[in-house]
Amino acid sequence: AQTVTQSQPEMSVQEAETVTLSCTYDTSESDYYLFWYKQPPSRQMILVIRQEAYKQQNATENRFSVNFQKAAKSFSLKISDSQLGDAAMYFCAFLPHTNDKIIFGKGTRLHILP
Amino acid sequence: NAGVTQTPKFQVLKTGQSMTLQCAQDMNHNSMYWYRQDPGMGLRLIYYSASEGTTDKGEVPNGYNVSRLNKREFSLRLESAAPSQTSVYFCASSVEQGNQPQHFGDGTRLSIL
Repeated sequence: AQTVTQSQPEMSVQEAETVTLSCTYDTSESDYYLFWYKQPPSRQMILVIRQEAYKQQNATENRFSVNFQKAAKSFSLKISDSQLGDAAMYFCAFLPHTNDKIIFGKGTRLHILP
Repeated sequence: NAGVTQTPKFQVLKTGQSMTLQCAQDMNHNSMYWYRQDPGMGLRLIYYSASEGTTDKGEVPNGYNVSRLNKREFSLRLESAAPSQTSVYFCASSVEQGNQPQHFGDGTRLSIL
């Protein structure tokens, strides 16, 4: 069975600094997709970034980038120049290519210190 | 665009009562999903529907039923609510199965007394 592990329940970062959120996953599949979702206090789930496993190049979206290490089954999220609006719960998610059942990690709560 | 709309946003039920959570999307998406979110557990898939007329069980389907009424609507029913079903419920949709990201509704906070 596939699993997604976020080992950091909570993290804090100073405003304007860089922070990295960790995510590891376990699967026997070779083709899959990985996502990071952000859930602010409003409770809305917002897609931050996604990565296709067959792509070696790490995905980037403005201040958000990932470090995808397929062999290590690691998918970390780096947030540069942290802003107060980045404060939220962040979920790592795994979607195998063979079905529609996305699996979420338990989340990391990110605090931004002014 | 409204995206994914869930109703109601909040509900309190007594044990044994039944209720249906409604979800509709206006993005012409084929796939729709129901999740529950509990503290420290992340989101867990209850049921999903890859297309109109089809539904499949997710990770935690017990105690729930679903109905894909048409392409736009996907409802979740609790026939006999239990306190263990107290949770925040999210509906989501995506263009199709595969690599497309899912778009989420704002959630329904459900409390079972």
